[in-house]
Amino acid sequence: GEDVEQSLFLSVREGDSSVINCTYTDSSSTYLYWYKQEPGAGLQLLTYIFSNMDMKQDQRLTVLLNKKDKHLSLRIADTQTGDSAIYFCAETPSSGGSYIPTFGRGTSLIVHP
Amino acid sequence: GAVVSQHPSRVICKSGTSVKIECRSLDFQATTMFWYRQFPKQSLMLMATSNEGSKATYEQGVEKDKFLINHASLTLSTLTVTSAHPEDSSFYICSAPTGSDQPQHFGDGTRLSIL
Repeated sequence: GEDVEQSLFLSVREGDSSVINCTYTDSSSTYLYWYKQEPGAGLQLLTYIFSNMDMKQDQRLTVLLNKKDKHLSLRIADTQTGDSAIYFCAETPSSGGSYIPTFGRGTSLIVHP
Repeated sequence: GAVVSQHPSRVICKSGTSVKIECRSLDFQATTMFWYRQFPKQSLMLMATSNEGSKATYEQGVEKDKFLINHASLTLSTLTVTSAHPEDSSFYICSAPTGSDQPQHFGDGTRLSIL
């Protein structure tokens, strides 16, 4: 079955780069996503990457995909205290129709001064 | 801006009460919406898939008579927690894709507390 794994915690200093890693098992994954959840809020879509891409950059966010190793990472440059949140990796196994994503357990990012 | 609106954001009520949560798609039609439940410090657990004009599809272990889902229009799905008890206290989140092959967009969630 599908499985998405993430480390549970990451602590960084303000201004440093953060790298959150994710591994997945479904080789038929089509889309891979990163969501951000702040305390008491829903999930905010940060970015997503199609499985035929290796890298996607959007301002401070860089997503790297190693499809061979089924490894996805999210790099946040110049991390700020407002970036403190839980980050969820998710993947969808197929395209078209009402697909249902599989989520990891989330990585809690703590940014300290 | 938000593409999925969820209300209410927080509910506190007595045991035995039924609670309705609304999930609306803004500026797009959603034939399918999803309802999740999230326990503290845990990932999202898919409860059911809400299908416009037809019955919802429930995940294994989710009581359909306990969690009633109605998707009467292309922009609104409701989740009703019937005869709620303290163990139903949780964070409930809905989502919808803006189209086929599009990512899920989530509502802001509803914090349900049953006393």
